[in-house]
Amino acid sequence: DTGVSQDPRHKITKRGQNVTFRCDPISEHNRLYWYRQTLGQGPEFLTYFQNEAQLEKSRLLSDRFSAERPKGSFSTLEIQRTEQGDSAMYLCASEGGHAYEQYFGPGTRLTVT
Amino acid sequence: QKEVEQDPGPLSVPEGAIVSLNCTYSNSAFQYFMWYRQYSRKGPELLMYTYSSGNKEDGRFTAQVDKSSKYISLFIRDSQPSDSATYLCAMGGSEKLVFGKGTKLTVNP
Repeated sequence: DTGVSQDPRHKITKRGQNVTFRCDPISEHNRLYWYRQTLGQGPEFLTYFQNEAQLEKSRLLSDRFSAERPKGSFSTLEIQRTEQGDSAMYLCASEGGHAYEQYFGPGTRLTVT
Repeated sequence: QKEVEQDPGPLSVPEGAIVSLNCTYSNSAFQYFMWYRQYSRKGPELLMYTYSSGNKEDGRFTAQVDKSSKYISLFIRDSQPSDSATYLCAMGGSEKLVFGKGTKLTVNP
């Protein structure tokens, strides 16, 4: 399967714990995006990378959130000191050169109890 | 005013019906317009995209963009129960996408 993969698919954590998600983009896609989707809403942009450089971060991305893309391959999204409001689906998308061709992974569903 | 407005529905139609889904937007900088389909608890799947006013057809699906009115549509002909999903419009300049809320569609056999 050469699509975007995300791990884990589901994560349940207690408030205050740290969590880390991983995204593996389509091979050779140089742009990687993170979005967050809550129930009944469309995905909202969080941040994106061009190769290993993080080029834009949304105001939604508080100081508790950090993302990396070492070597321009896979990416990780870490949330520190999780809050109940962080419960959402975290989606990763990769793009090979045209903004209109963003391909999404299956998402990581986070539940903070 | 949100940048992208989409009626969340829900929309319920009989099998074989023509479905019309719509979004309006306010940002004139948007150049690319996409429709995604999302099944429950899955990631969005890219259905169609266009970057100019006019129509684009792909099988039973037709995407329509009217930049002068800031209005985009997706038509589904001969709808099937397997088309039951949430349809998300998305648009952007050259990088991040801005999504509508999604319209939940149910096609009844």
